[in-house]
Amino acid sequence: AQSVAQPEDQVNVAEGNPLTVKCTYSVSGNPYLFWYVQYPNRGLQFLLKYITGDNLVKGSYGFEAEFNKSQTSFHLKKPSALVSDSALYFCAVRAVTGGFKTIFGAGTRLFVKA
Amino acid sequence: DAGVIQSPRHEVTEMGQEVTLRCKPISGHDYLFWYRQTMMRGLELLIYFNNNVPIDDSGMPEDRFSAKMPNASFSTLKIQPSEPRDSAVYFCASSSLTGGGGYTFGSGTRLTVV
Repeated sequence: AQSVAQPEDQVNVAEGNPLTVKCTYSVSGNPYLFWYVQYPNRGLQFLLKYITGDNLVKGSYGFEAEFNKSQTSFHLKKPSALVSDSALYFCAVRAVTGGFKTIFGAGTRLFVKA
Repeated sequence: DAGVIQSPRHEVTEMGQEVTLRCKPISGHDYLFWYRQTMMRGLELLIYFNNNVPIDDSGMPEDRFSAKMPNASFSTLKIQPSEPRDSAVYFCASSSLTGGGGYTFGSGTRLTVV
């Protein structure tokens, strides 16, 4: 069965500092991995995805994520946080084979302090 | 494209009433998903369709919930009769296999059953 763990309910960083939001996953076979962001009273917005190839994936708004197969992790990173990055972040996984069902993590709330 | 369009944005209804939520996916997307988001349970997949055919409805909580997709541009999620525990934000999302299959979410319908 597929599963996603986001071990931190909340991450606090100061503006200008680097940020990391953690994600680990479990899936049979190779994974497709995704990050989404949700702002208040809005739907989830796609940030980036890992399908295959380079382990470092770059996405929207300066975010990037690193796929680590041995650690089954897909942590979201940004070199310099902005106050406007404050939102709820979801990691998601789907098996390459076996349907189109994507499983979402519980979400991590990011607070960036000015 | 206007994105995934959901209606209504907010719905307040009395317990026992029928509620119908509507979704228009992105043109050309052949997958459509219904999710429910609550503080307690996070983001739950209720059902998804491929080419208008329901593929997996294992997440539908009980027989009071039903979903249809009569054509490629329209889907409904119906709750009859509604109960207070159905109060949540309901999201529709669409996707296609092209490009790895990230989801595009609608803005959601906030349902309150009193």
